[in-house]
Amino acid sequence: EADIYQTPRYLVIGTGKKITLECSQTMGHDKMYWYQQDPGMELHLIHYSYGVNSTEKGDLSSESTVSRIRTEHFPLTLESARPSHTSQYLCASRDAGGSPLHFGNGTRLTVT
Amino acid sequence: AQSVTQPDIHITVSEGASLELRCNYSYGATPYLFWYVQSPGQGLQLLLKYFSGDTLVQGIKGFEAEFKRSQSSFNLRKPSVHWSDAAEYFCAVTSGTYKYIFGTGTRLKVLA
Repeated sequence: EADIYQTPRYLVIGTGKKITLECSQTMGHDKMYWYQQDPGMELHLIHYSYGVNSTEKGDLSSESTVSRIRTEHFPLTLESARPSHTSQYLCASRDAGGSPLHFGNGTRLTVT
Repeated sequence: AQSVTQPDIHITVSEGASLELRCNYSYGATPYLFWYVQSPGQGLQLLLKYFSGDTLVQGIKGFEAEFKRSQSSFNLRKPSVHWSDAAEYFCAVTSGTYKYIFGTGTRLKVLA
């Protein structure tokens, strides 16, 4: 039973298009994350949020942006998609420090 | 620098055989440790976690892991593997801050 939801699950889009990947959680967690996952690689943090109106860039340079207007919602936007953005994007949330991350099922993005 | 190493990229076992997946970490403080499983097209599901106390922790689906501070290891084990255990397994660590470090994963194949 998923408490964190990502849409769409799969997206194929042309270069230059603007896209928004949606992520919502029903657990009331303040902390939310976006990771990029490629085969054979560790998960790379691209954005995280401590709470409403608090967002930070992660370790991996990314051309995406995020917003956190509501606790439960943490969308990620690419203003102009490129083939290099082709990847799986995972959203996660957690409770207090040291708690495990809860992951959504991911969005697999392909930019042609 | 903080790091997590999963030395085995691929492991193949026969159904009913025992399993051990290795995880070594490099961390200054006492870490919070996790094992996750990911099936194709899915997000990461938490198998178990270690915070403190008993160094042998039990998780879901019959998995267990043992924390060995002297070896900086947190290996995952299962006495008898089922075909449905075929998936990718990730070890992760955090010190309690925002940062979670993931290994590159071990892909498990189960032979009938």
